[in-house]
Amino acid sequence: DSGVTQTPKHLITATGQRVTLRCSPRSGDLSVYWYQQSLDQGLQFLIQYYNGEERAKGNILERFSAQQFPDLHSELNLSSLELGDSALYFCASSGDRGTPYEQYFGPGTRLTVT
Amino acid sequence: SQKIEQNSEALNIQEGKTATLTCNYTNYSPAYLQWYRQDPGRGPVFLLLIRENEKEKRKERLKVTFDTTLKQSLFHITASQPADSATYLCVPGPDSGYALNFGKGTSLLVTP
Repeated sequence: DSGVTQTPKHLITATGQRVTLRCSPRSGDLSVYWYQQSLDQGLQFLIQYYNGEERAKGNILERFSAQQFPDLHSELNLSSLELGDSALYFCASSGDRGTPYEQYFGPGTRLTVT
Repeated sequence: SQKIEQNSEALNIQEGKTATLTCNYTNYSPAYLQWYRQDPGRGPVFLLLIRENEKEKRKERLKVTFDTTLKQSLFHITASQPADSATYLCVPGPDSGYALNFGKGTSLLVTP
């Protein structure tokens, strides 16, 4: 158990809809990262937050947004969903310096868009 | 832009042998390099981090080397077991900023 929690585990929704994925980092970790993994693909970095502020941005679509709250949990919002958004979404956290090494991953949220 | 290449093929070895996975990088010199393990449908698990001033690092049956001249890292699993079967990801530190490139990794299959 990495100490990172993600909810929900599974999400099935229709095209055009909006969903919110939630992540709670390990105790004491200030950084939260979001990744997307499509079938048989590598992890694609989406965005990083450090102590409530956006620190790095990857190939995140404009339809996607995220935030990190004062209690350090984070939410990833996906809107106007398309079939191609079906994927595993992972959240990871790392220590108190904001550097991206030694990341601890949650169990993921499997999103299916029909 | 930074480029990372891992063993392009899946690696199949027999139980008890040493598995060696290769990671080559070009166009930049990362300050550190990480190795992660990922099982199907699960999040990656951090294994080891090696810095550019370290030649070798060990953890139980795992050993990582970092050759900044060859721009290569080798990841060894000694006395491999079927439970070691997974995808292993080589993740160099970013050339700038904080975004990491995890890539697709190398699939290792250890057969009894």
